[in-house]
Amino acid sequence: DAGVIQSPRHEVTEMGQEVTLRCKPISGHDYLFWYRQTMMRGLELLIYFNNNVPIDDSGMPEDRFSAKMPNASFSTLKIQPSEPRDSAVYFCASSSYVVAGAHTGELFFGEGSRLTVL
Amino acid sequence: AQSVTQLGSHVSVSEGALVLLRCNYSSSVPPYLFWYVQYPNQGLQLLLKYTSAATLVKGINGFEAEFKKSETSFHLTKPSAHMSDAAEYFCAVSPGGGNKLTFGTGTQLKVEL
Repeated sequence: DAGVIQSPRHEVTEMGQEVTLRCKPISGHDYLFWYRQTMMRGLELLIYFNNNVPIDDSGMPEDRFSAKMPNASFSTLKIQPSEPRDSAVYFCASSSYVVAGAHTGELFFGEGSRLTVL
Repeated sequence: AQSVTQLGSHVSVSEGALVLLRCNYSSSVPPYLFWYVQYPNQGLQLLLKYTSAATLVKGINGFEAEFKKSETSFHLTKPSAHMSDAAEYFCAVSPGGGNKLTFGTGTQLKVEL
């Protein structure tokens, strides 16, 4: 079974450019999360969706960041315009709250998209 | 609000020695607790989880953790370290079992010969 798939794995761009990160969650998972990882701040939850609906976007740092989930198998995180301080590894994770009547609470992470903004 | 504190951002042990990574949590409701491991250039993967059943939880690769409510702790241990255990380890808490996890700052484990 395929895991969470993220693209691109690496992105180098110049300040002011638009960046779009993509995620395909595990089939059947109804939760999708976007995290950002930096040395300074560690792992930060940016936003999460349940059944394609954004539930909590309180971690989105600024209006420059936006996320969408048009269907159950695809999500994007967009940064426009990008700034050097956005340089980080962005992780997508998916989860299913209940499997066979048992709570899982386990997140399945993709391998991340490493963003460098020059 | 919930939080976790991982004591020690870097831990170094000799191969074959005991591994002990510390995690203390704060939660206003009974917590679900997790340990994740991250190998270089990879995403996080679950090592083990506590979900209000047995207080001693066994995970993959010989790791285990014990939930101690009186100490608000969930320390991760392994009796004998292996070189392949070198990675970053994250403790995480979910209040009452919701899917919104809060991660600690991570502990980098180094295993030396």
